[in-house]
Amino acid sequence: GAGVSQSPSNKVTEKGKDVELRCDPISGHTALYWYRQSLGQGLEFLIYFQGNSAPDKSGLPSDRFSAERTGGSVSTLTIQRTQQEDSAVYLCASSREVQGVYGYTFGSGTRLTVV
Amino acid sequence: SQKIEQNSEALNIQEGKTATLTCNYTNYSPAYLQWYRQDPGRGPVFLLLIRENEKEKRKERLKVTFDTTLKQSLFHITASQPADSATYLCALDQGPAGANNLFFGTGTRLTVIP
Repeated sequence: GAGVSQSPSNKVTEKGKDVELRCDPISGHTALYWYRQSLGQGLEFLIYFQGNSAPDKSGLPSDRFSAERTGGSVSTLTIQRTQQEDSAVYLCASSREVQGVYGYTFGSGTRLTVV
Repeated sequence: SQKIEQNSEALNIQEGKTATLTCNYTNYSPAYLQWYRQDPGRGPVFLLLIRENEKEKRKERLKVTFDTTLKQSLFHITASQPADSATYLCALDQGPAGANNLFFGTGTRLTVIP
């Protein structure tokens, strides 16, 4: 597509429920990133996918967080047993190459609220 | 510890003036430094990239400098307009030898007053 598409744009969930966030990157972009942005905080790196390589999961804050990327395209970020501190905007980005030399293209994010 | 600091949370300037935003970093050795613009409710938008061996990069009314000795980048918007009002983020890329992701500062919210 023309841009990075994320769904849903907003999600309100009860504490303890699981949620799935979806990212559809730009066609042909080999690298895909998930970041989290909390109010007043910088973007926090979560996970990175590059082609068929094993993902870099070094930023995932706990084992309740997981992500997959199917067929080198669409990615899903799953948060199990959500907690209130998981409330944030989850941003997905893609880039033409690793290291983002051409810059990242971000989606508009999913605003997650855990009540 | 590693830190990326942007000079102030908020900056107000008069229309037509030059806005200067600062990004300082510690305990990083970036190969590239990038600047992004973020509007409320939107994801960041890539503006400019400058490499470690470049001193200055320009794009229309934007100018970025990169001083690896001072560990600082300056981002200038000349002839500022109300439409330039947004949050500006700097981001560091450590290159092939480093992590596979960008590290972002917390941003400076710029308001251009008509």
